[in-house]
Amino acid sequence: VQLQESGPGLVKPSETLSLICNVSGGSINSYYWNWIRQPPGKGLEWIGHIFYSGGTNYNPSLKSRVTISMDASKNQFSVKLTSVTAADTAVYYCAKEFDRSGLRWFDSWGQGTLVTVSS
Amino acid sequence: DIVMTQSPDSLAVSLGETATINCKSGQSVLYSFNNKNYLAWYQQKPGQPPKLLIYWASTRESGVPDRFSGSGSGTDFTLTISSLQAEDAAVYYCQQYYNTPRTFGQGTKLEIK
Repeated sequence: VQLQESGPGLVKPSETLSLICNVSGGSINSYYWNWIRQPPGKGLEWIGHIFYSGGTNYNPSLKSRVTISMDASKNQFSVKLTSVTAADTAVYYCAKEFDRSGLRWFDSWGQGTLVTVSS
Repeated sequence: DIVMTQSPDSLAVSLGETATINCKSGQSVLYSFNNKNYLAWYQQKPGQPPKLLIYWASTRESGVPDRFSGSGSGTDFTLTISSLQAEDAAVYYCQQYYNTPRTFGQGTKLEIK
């Protein structure tokens, strides 16, 4: 399975960050699909995931601002983060969990896309 | 949230020697029903996404050299890299998948001397 993130590289403060992850080589109707971010020079933060039934789990630290959705017809899933600030500047990765159980490691990652929040 | 704490934050080890990275979880990540530790290790090089090395705390991912090994149980885990090579220079992260939110250690930067 290959994953590829896409979306604007620059977002203005207070606006909404929107990214898409295109999945190839496998069906999005299986597995759990995750978003993870990494501020420049810092560590990894899990944003949340969506699973094959469409259910979601989010990091409580972002829950009020984040929505993850999927479009099975396009084999892609997406993340929206509202009211962004400079603290949301990061490389955003999409990643797949190993299987459908919901408690597995990330075995495939996209290359990541840098999103900068700045006016 | 399960806090994952790695030590040290950075280390420099000579070529051919052994590097040891520790990871401590704020609560046990061992599920008693299957006796498995829900702990993974990743390697990240600059400009690249993390690469899975180890899952179930000690199972090597396919294609990962056997110089990489994981051990530990419950709350204390170790990643050992033996016969260090120049290409092993990277940041290493532990991560728990015991529950959500998934959490990572802060990372350990490994330099090869």
